[in-house]
Amino acid sequence: AQTVTQSQPEMSVQEAETVTLSCTYDTSENNYYLFWYKQPPSRQMILVIRQEAYKQQNATENRFSVNFQKAAKSFSLKISDSQLGDTAMYFCAFMRTNTGNQFYFGTGTSLTVIP
Amino acid sequence: GAGVSQTPSNKVTEKGKYVELRCDPISGHTALYWYRQSLGQGPEFLIYFQGTGAADDSGLPNDRFFAVRPEGSVSTLKIQRTERGDSAVYLCASSRNSIPGTSNSPLHFGNGTRLTVT
Repeated sequence: AQTVTQSQPEMSVQEAETVTLSCTYDTSENNYYLFWYKQPPSRQMILVIRQEAYKQQNATENRFSVNFQKAAKSFSLKISDSQLGDTAMYFCAFMRTNTGNQFYFGTGTSLTVIP
Repeated sequence: GAGVSQTPSNKVTEKGKYVELRCDPISGHTALYWYRQSLGQGPEFLIYFQGTGAADDSGLPNDRFFAVRPEGSVSTLKIQRTERGDSAVYLCASSRNSIPGTSNSPLHFGNGTRLTVT
């Protein structure tokens, strides 16, 4: 079974500062995808960043980057230059490539950016 | 349409009643997914359609839950004899093909239906 753990229920950061959200996962698979999704109060899940497990290079998307440690099964999200619009719930998610349809989500981290 | 559309946005029903939740995926997306998000939790997989058929319904909690996608586009999630424990946000998502994690087939979510069973 796959499990995704987010150990930080709530976090806050000052505007323009940097914050890191933690995620660990457990799987026996070798090939898979990892994701970070953002869920604002509108409830829509918005993809922030994606990482393929076979790629050693950490993914980056503008102010968002990940620290992917495959051996440690760790996948943290770094948000640089935090903006008020980054305030939301953030979910880490795992998807196996051999079935390719089920996402396994963590319990989320509520991030508040303080002006 | 521009995105995945779910109706109604909110639904309040009495225990024991039957409810239907609708999902309109992005046009042309062959894969459609239903997830349930309970308070304080991440979304949990319910069912996955590829075209008209349910390719994986292993996440449906019991036989009170059923979903259809008769023409390979709109999907309806049906819950019979609702219970208070069914209260949650029901999220629908769609992707271009059956591998939603790839860069050319990202998973798009709707805004969900918040179901409250009183």
